[in-house]
Amino acid sequence: KNQVEQSPQSLIILEGKNCTLQCNYTVSPFSNLRWYKQDTGRGPVSLTIMTFSENTKSNGRYTATLDADTKQSSLHITASQLSDSASYICVVSDRGSTLGRLYFGRGTQLTVWP
Amino acid sequence: EADIYQTPRYLVIGTGKKITLECSQTMGHDKMYWYQQDPGMELHLIHYSYGVNSTEKGDLSSESTVSRIRTEHFPLTLESARPSHTSQYLCASGGQGDYEQYFGPGTRLTVT
Repeated sequence: KNQVEQSPQSLIILEGKNCTLQCNYTVSPFSNLRWYKQDTGRGPVSLTIMTFSENTKSNGRYTATLDADTKQSSLHITASQLSDSASYICVVSDRGSTLGRLYFGRGTQLTVWP
Repeated sequence: EADIYQTPRYLVIGTGKKITLECSQTMGHDKMYWYQQDPGMELHLIHYSYGVNSTEKGDLSSESTVSRIRTEHFPLTLESARPSHTSQYLCASGGQGDYEQYFGPGTRLTVT
């Protein structure tokens, strides 16, 4: 069964600190992995997208890594800001159809305190 | 930010009413999607479309229906709303061969 598991479920950090969120997946055949940021009451916004051949990608203070062999990904946030408080969702796409079916994790709820 | 719009943003309605959730995108994308998301849970695909006059049901069974008469417009309709339909509904679109899906802001539906 294609699944995406994220950890931790929630995380509280102080402003300025770094943090790392984890994502494990069993989706096969693998096409790409995305990290989305979803603010409360809003739609998800893409942070990074990585294909099989990419093992790291950065977007400002966000750096995603991918290990396709172990089927693991991480999202590292550097020098956190209050505006980073949101749910971070790991999404994996398969190559099984032209639709590019997406499998969503439940997200990690990050809270940044001043 | 992507040009995809949803209205209304919030809707509180009584049981048995017919509702239509609107979704429009100005990017000319062929693919459009509807997702349902409960608090703290993952998004579930309920409908998708490859293009005009194409609609398919997603992974999660839903009593809602959709139509795709125009490329830019993908409305979702519930003929008779029930409390079990209370949820957040997210619309998304993606271009041909485009890995990205661009999400709208969502509609928070509450059925009393």
